[in-house]
Amino acid sequence: RKEVEQDPGPFNVPEGATVAFNCTYSNSASQSFFWYRQDCRKEPKLLMSVYSSGNEDGRFTAQLNRASQYISLLIRDSKLSDSATYLCVVNLNYGGATNKLIFGTGTLLAVQP
Amino acid sequence: DTAVSQTPKYLVTQMGNDKSIKCEQNLGHDTMYWYKQDSKKFLKIMFSYNNKELIINETVPNRFSPKSPDKAHLNLHINSLELGDSAVYFCASSHRAGGPTTDTQYFGPGTRLTVL
Repeated sequence: RKEVEQDPGPFNVPEGATVAFNCTYSNSASQSFFWYRQDCRKEPKLLMSVYSSGNEDGRFTAQLNRASQYISLLIRDSKLSDSATYLCVVNLNYGGATNKLIFGTGTLLAVQP
Repeated sequence: DTAVSQTPKYLVTQMGNDKSIKCEQNLGHDTMYWYKQDSKKFLKIMFSYNNKELIINETVPNRFSPKSPDKAHLNLHINSLELGDSAVYFCASSHRAGGPTTDTQYFGPGTRLTVL
């Protein structure tokens, strides 16, 4: 079983749609959680951290369910510029100076005009 | 100013050759990383250095040798290149590696390695 699992998509949605991505992780010791965005042939960039209470950043809402080991990202009012691959990321901390980010394989979003 | 830079951006080489990829960050971060992203787009950590000290070494063939001359640089040398080494290699840095949370990792633009 992969440590972080995501539906690879693609999700093809029209502009203005609401789309949700889900992610599950296998290691209950995971301590912090993120969504990164990766445009085609570019580097990943942090989109937002995910907090236990849920958090929102403009059109983006992230949720975490530690009991179910489940993370979600909701994008409202999709824009063409949202087209990218969304990577679910968890952090495993081994104590001291050792953190390790584990990346999911990503979910591809294509927003259509 | 580029925060995390890598050179070269593209690298095409023959099997069996030895090549190096360089990475520099000007963010004043303590920790640097090398990741490999394969053809299936799976991004996996290879190495992590904190203040020039190796702290993560995933199961990577010993043909791959990272070197950190100072905390702003982390280079990756690859000996005896194989077809399966073809991938995009990303360097990243973060402010600190320890603690209960991880500071944001900033990625370089990637080096697309093709082994023929």
